[in-house]
Amino acid sequence: ETGVTQSPTHLIKTRGQQVTLRCSSQSGHNTVSWYQQALGQGPQFIFQYYREEENGRGNFPPRFSGLQFPNYSSELNVNALELDDSALYLCASSPRDSDIQYFGAGTRLSVL
Amino acid sequence: KQEVTQIPAALSVPEGENLVLNCSFTDSAIYNLQWFRQDPGKGLTSLLLIQSSQREQTSGRLNASLDKSSGRSTLYIAASQPGDSATYLCAVSGTGNQFYFGTGTSLTVIP
Repeated sequence: ETGVTQSPTHLIKTRGQQVTLRCSSQSGHNTVSWYQQALGQGPQFIFQYYREEENGRGNFPPRFSGLQFPNYSSELNVNALELDDSALYLCASSPRDSDIQYFGAGTRLSVL
Repeated sequence: KQEVTQIPAALSVPEGENLVLNCSFTDSAIYNLQWFRQDPGKGLTSLLLIQSSQREQTSGRLNASLDKSSGRSTLYIAASQPGDSATYLCAVSGTGNQFYFGTGTSLTVIP
Protein backbone atom coordinates (compact mmCIF):
# COMPACT_ATOMS: atom_id res chain seq x y z
CA GLU A 1 0.00 0.00 0.00
CA THR A 2 1.69 3.18 -1.23
CA GLY A 3 -0.98 5.65 -0.13
CA VAL A 4 -1.32 6.95 -3.69
CA THR A 5 -4.79 6.56 -5.18
CA GLN A 6 -5.70 7.05 -8.83
CA SER A 7 -9.14 7.36 -10.39
CA PRO A 8 -10.75 6.12 -12.44
CA THR A 9 -9.24 2.64 -12.79
CA HIS A 10 -10.31 2.28 -16.40
CA LEU A 11 -11.58 4.75 -18.96
CA ILE A 12 -12.74 4.52 -22.56
CA LYS A 13 -12.78 7.63 -24.75
CA THR A 14 -13.06 8.35 -28.44
CA ARG A 15 -10.55 10.19 -30.57
CA GLY A 16 -10.74 13.97 -30.23
CA GLN A 17 -12.28 13.93 -26.75
CA GLN A 18 -10.71 15.34 -23.60
CA VAL A 19 -9.94 13.40 -20.42
CA THR A 20 -9.02 14.21 -16.82
CA LEU A 21 -7.23 11.68 -14.65
CA ARG A 22 -6.92 12.16 -10.91
CA CYS A 23 -4.37 11.27 -8.29
CA SER A 24 -4.47 11.59 -4.53
CA SER A 25 -1.19 11.45 -2.63
CA GLN A 26 -0.30 11.11 1.03
CA SER A 27 -0.17 14.19 3.18
CA GLY A 28 3.27 15.78 2.95
CA HIS A 29 4.02 14.41 -0.52
CA ASN A 30 4.55 17.72 -2.25
CA THR A 31 6.14 16.33 -5.42
CA VAL A 32 4.02 14.45 -7.94
CA SER A 33 5.04 13.02 -11.31
CA TRP A 34 2.94 11.59 -14.11
CA TYR A 35 3.99 8.83 -16.50
CA GLN A 36 2.56 7.16 -19.59
CA GLN A 37 3.21 3.44 -19.96
CA ALA A 38 2.36 1.81 -23.27
CA LEU A 39 1.91 -1.95 -23.35
CA GLY A 40 5.23 -3.77 -23.02
CA GLN A 41 7.18 -0.55 -22.47
CA GLY A 42 8.68 1.25 -19.53
CA PRO A 43 6.95 4.35 -18.17
CA GLN A 44 7.62 7.60 -20.05
CA PHE A 45 7.95 10.75 -17.95
CA ILE A 46 5.25 13.32 -18.77
CA PHE A 47 5.87 16.01 -16.14
CA GLN A 48 6.47 16.72 -12.49
CA TYR A 49 4.83 19.20 -10.15
CA TYR A 50 6.30 20.59 -6.96
CA ARG A 51 4.24 22.83 -4.70
CA GLU A 52 1.68 23.39 -7.46
CA GLU A 53 4.22 24.49 -10.08
CA GLU A 54 5.45 22.46 -13.05
CA ASN A 55 8.98 21.40 -12.17
CA GLY A 56 10.09 19.37 -15.17
CA ARG A 57 8.58 18.06 -18.40
CA GLY A 58 9.26 15.16 -20.72
CA ASN A 59 8.81 15.01 -24.47
CA PHE A 60 5.03 15.36 -24.54
CA PRO A 61 2.98 17.95 -26.49
CA PRO A 62 1.15 20.84 -24.76
CA ARG A 63 -2.18 19.02 -25.01
CA PHE A 64 -0.91 17.11 -21.97
CA SER A 65 -1.32 19.42 -19.00
CA GLY A 66 -1.54 19.10 -15.27
CA LEU A 67 -2.54 20.66 -12.01
CA GLN A 68 -1.48 20.08 -8.43
CA PHE A 69 -3.62 21.22 -5.52
CA PRO A 70 -2.75 22.19 -1.93
CA ASN A 71 -4.52 19.09 -0.60
CA TYR A 72 -1.90 16.80 -2.26
CA SER A 73 -4.18 15.82 -5.11
CA SER A 74 -3.34 16.34 -8.76
CA GLU A 75 -4.79 16.01 -12.24
CA LEU A 76 -3.55 15.05 -15.66
CA ASN A 77 -5.54 16.53 -18.53
CA VAL A 78 -5.24 15.37 -22.10
CA ASN A 79 -6.97 17.26 -24.91
CA ALA A 80 -7.73 16.15 -28.45
CA LEU A 81 -7.16 12.47 -27.67
CA GLU A 82 -5.35 10.36 -30.23
CA LEU A 83 -5.34 6.58 -30.63
CA ASP A 84 -1.70 6.47 -29.48
CA ASP A 85 -2.71 7.99 -26.15
CA SER A 86 -4.07 4.58 -25.17
CA ALA A 87 -1.88 3.50 -22.25
CA LEU A 88 -1.59 3.03 -18.50
CA TYR A 89 -1.16 6.43 -16.83
CA LEU A 90 0.75 6.35 -13.57
CA CYS A 91 1.03 8.95 -10.86
CA ALA A 92 3.92 8.92 -8.40
CA SER A 93 4.50 11.11 -5.38
CA SER A 94 7.48 11.77 -3.16
CA PRO A 95 7.64 13.12 0.35
CA ARG A 96 9.67 16.13 1.26
CA ASP A 97 13.43 15.47 1.29
CA SER A 98 13.12 12.06 -0.35
CA ASP A 99 13.72 10.84 -3.88
CA ILE A 100 11.74 7.65 -3.39
CA GLN A 101 8.68 7.62 -5.64
CA TYR A 102 5.47 5.98 -4.49
CA PHE A 103 3.26 4.90 -7.36
CA GLY A 104 -0.46 4.53 -7.68
CA ALA A 105 -2.00 1.54 -9.45
CA GLY A 106 -2.66 3.61 -12.56
CA THR A 107 -5.52 4.49 -14.88
CA ARG A 108 -5.92 2.39 -18.00
CA LEU A 109 -7.05 4.70 -20.83
CA SER A 110 -8.37 3.28 -24.09
CA VAL A 111 -8.94 5.65 -27.01
CA LEU A 112 -11.19 4.27 -29.75
CA LYS B 1 18.94 12.27 -24.29
CA GLN B 2 19.29 9.62 -21.59
CA GLU B 3 18.63 6.07 -22.73
CA VAL B 4 18.13 3.19 -20.30
CA THR B 5 18.53 -0.41 -21.41
CA GLN B 6 17.71 -3.55 -19.46
CA ILE B 7 19.05 -6.97 -20.27
CA PRO B 8 17.71 -9.59 -20.49
CA ALA B 9 14.16 -8.70 -21.54
CA ALA B 10 12.88 -11.93 -20.00
CA LEU B 11 14.34 -14.47 -17.63
CA SER B 12 13.05 -17.80 -16.33
CA VAL B 13 14.80 -19.53 -13.42
CA PRO B 14 14.06 -22.42 -11.05
CA GLU B 15 13.14 -21.57 -7.49
CA GLY B 16 16.13 -21.08 -5.19
CA GLU B 17 18.50 -19.80 -7.85
CA ASN B 18 20.42 -16.56 -7.43
CA LEU B 19 20.08 -14.15 -10.34
CA VAL B 20 21.30 -10.82 -11.67
CA LEU B 21 19.36 -8.24 -13.65
CA ASN B 22 21.24 -5.61 -15.60
CA CYS B 23 20.54 -1.97 -16.31
CA SER B 24 22.70 0.41 -18.36
CA PHE B 25 22.32 4.12 -19.04
CA THR B 26 24.03 6.39 -21.54
CA ASP B 27 24.47 9.62 -19.55
CA SER B 28 26.40 9.27 -16.29
CA ALA B 29 25.14 12.64 -14.99
CA ILE B 30 22.43 11.13 -12.82
CA TYR B 31 21.17 12.05 -9.36
CA ASN B 32 20.02 8.59 -8.42
CA LEU B 33 18.92 5.21 -9.73
CA GLN B 34 15.89 3.34 -8.52
CA TRP B 35 14.79 -0.27 -9.01
CA PHE B 36 11.07 -1.05 -9.15
CA ARG B 37 8.90 -4.11 -9.33
CA GLN B 38 5.68 -4.17 -11.38
CA ASP B 39 3.08 -6.90 -11.18
CA PRO B 40 0.78 -7.38 -14.20
CA GLY B 41 -1.69 -4.54 -14.62
CA LYS B 42 -0.46 -2.83 -11.47
CA GLY B 43 1.58 0.20 -10.50
CA LEU B 44 5.22 0.17 -9.52
CA THR B 45 6.68 -0.70 -6.14
CA SER B 46 10.00 0.86 -5.19
CA LEU B 47 12.59 -1.76 -4.20
CA LEU B 48 15.86 0.12 -3.80
CA LEU B 49 17.12 3.66 -4.34
CA ILE B 50 20.82 4.36 -4.88
CA GLN B 51 22.03 7.94 -4.73
CA SER B 52 24.70 8.92 -7.26
CA SER B 53 27.30 9.07 -4.49
CA GLN B 54 26.57 5.50 -3.36
CA ARG B 55 27.86 2.21 -4.70
CA GLU B 56 25.18 -0.19 -3.47
CA GLN B 57 22.05 -0.70 -1.42
CA THR B 58 20.66 -3.83 0.20
CA SER B 59 17.20 -4.82 1.32
CA GLY B 60 16.62 -8.39 2.44
CA ARG B 61 17.40 -10.73 -0.45
CA LEU B 62 17.95 -7.81 -2.83
CA ASN B 63 21.21 -6.03 -3.51
CA ALA B 64 21.62 -3.25 -6.07
CA SER B 65 24.94 -1.85 -7.21
CA LEU B 66 25.75 1.29 -9.15
CA ASP B 67 28.80 2.07 -11.27
CA LYS B 68 28.03 5.58 -12.45
CA SER B 69 31.20 6.03 -14.48
CA SER B 70 30.45 3.01 -16.65
CA GLY B 71 26.69 3.66 -16.70
CA ARG B 72 25.70 0.35 -15.17
CA SER B 73 23.60 -1.02 -12.35
CA THR B 74 22.80 -4.57 -11.33
CA LEU B 75 20.03 -5.98 -9.18
CA TYR B 76 20.99 -9.21 -7.44
CA ILE B 77 18.19 -11.42 -6.12
CA ALA B 78 19.28 -14.20 -3.79
CA ALA B 79 17.41 -17.48 -3.34
CA SER B 80 14.62 -16.60 -5.76
CA GLN B 81 11.02 -17.50 -4.89
CA PRO B 82 7.89 -17.85 -7.07
CA GLY B 83 6.58 -14.65 -5.45
CA ASP B 84 9.48 -12.78 -7.03
CA SER B 85 7.89 -13.29 -10.45
CA ALA B 86 7.20 -9.82 -11.86
CA THR B 87 8.67 -7.23 -14.20
CA TYR B 88 11.66 -5.37 -12.78
CA LEU B 89 12.32 -1.84 -13.98
CA CYS B 90 15.21 0.50 -13.37
CA ALA B 91 14.92 4.27 -13.60
CA VAL B 92 17.47 7.07 -13.46
CA SER B 93 16.84 10.67 -12.57
CA GLY B 94 18.85 13.50 -14.05
CA THR B 95 18.76 17.18 -14.90
CA GLY B 96 15.43 18.92 -15.28
CA ASN B 97 13.85 16.55 -12.76
CA GLN B 98 13.34 14.07 -15.57
CA PHE B 99 13.10 10.37 -14.94
CA TYR B 100 14.02 7.73 -17.49
CA PHE B 101 12.90 4.11 -17.29
CA GLY B 102 14.14 1.01 -19.01
CA THR B 103 11.69 -1.38 -20.67
CA GLY B 104 12.09 -3.90 -17.87
CA THR B 105 13.06 -7.52 -17.32
CA SER B 106 10.19 -9.98 -16.99
CA LEU B 107 11.17 -12.55 -14.37
CA THR B 108 9.50 -15.92 -13.91
CA VAL B 109 10.54 -18.12 -11.00
CA ILE B 110 9.47 -21.72 -11.54
CA PRO B 111 8.48 -23.70 -8.42
